[in-house]
Amino acid sequence: AQSVTQLDSHVSVSEGTPVLLRCNYSSSYSPSLFWYVQHPNKGLQLLLKYTSAATLVKGINGFEAEFKKSETSFHLTKPSAHMSDAAEYFCVVSDRRDNTDKLIFGTGTRLQVFP
Amino acid sequence: KAGVTQTPRYLIKTRGQQVTLSCSPISGHRSVSWYQQTPGQGLQFLFEYFSETQRNKGNFPGRFSGRQFSNSRSEMNVSTLELGDSALYLCASSTRGQDQETQYFGPGTRLLVL
Repeated sequence: AQSVTQLDSHVSVSEGTPVLLRCNYSSSYSPSLFWYVQHPNKGLQLLLKYTSAATLVKGINGFEAEFKKSETSFHLTKPSAHMSDAAEYFCVVSDRRDNTDKLIFGTGTRLQVFP
Repeated sequence: KAGVTQTPRYLIKTRGQQVTLSCSPISGHRSVSWYQQTPGQGLQFLFEYFSETQRNKGNFPGRFSGRQFSNSRSEMNVSTLELGDSALYLCASSTRGQDQETQYFGPGTRLLVL
């Protein structure tokens, strides 16, 4: 079965310092992986996605993630945090069995950014 | 291109009532999925519709149902509401083409059951 595990429920950083949000996945075949961000009282916004074209994926707002098959990881990084990055981040795997569009979400990581 | 829209944005109901939520996908998207988000259970898949047919269903009771119309708009219905149905209900749309797995989410409908 497909699943994702977000290793930290909360991450706090100072503005201008690097961000690392960790995600491990479990999949019986080559997965499609995503990171979504949710700001308070808002819907989910796609940050980036991995679909086997390249292991280093660049997304919006300076975020990127690297797919590491040997470590079954898909960690999200950003070189320099901004106050506006404070939000909840979800690592997501697509369950492509039966040609369906079902997404399986991690439990989320809340990112706090201090001035 | 307009994004996914959901109506209403907020809703208050009492136990035992029923509710209908609406979702209009991005123009050209034919797949619509619904998710429930709660603090305790996180984000859980409800069901997916494509070309007016339910393609997949999550592990929810039969009180949760949905449908899709010929213009790809979708509705979900919850009957006999329970307190535990209070949640943010998110709708997402995608295309069945090359980018079929990328789902774009609406702002959600926040349902409060009293």
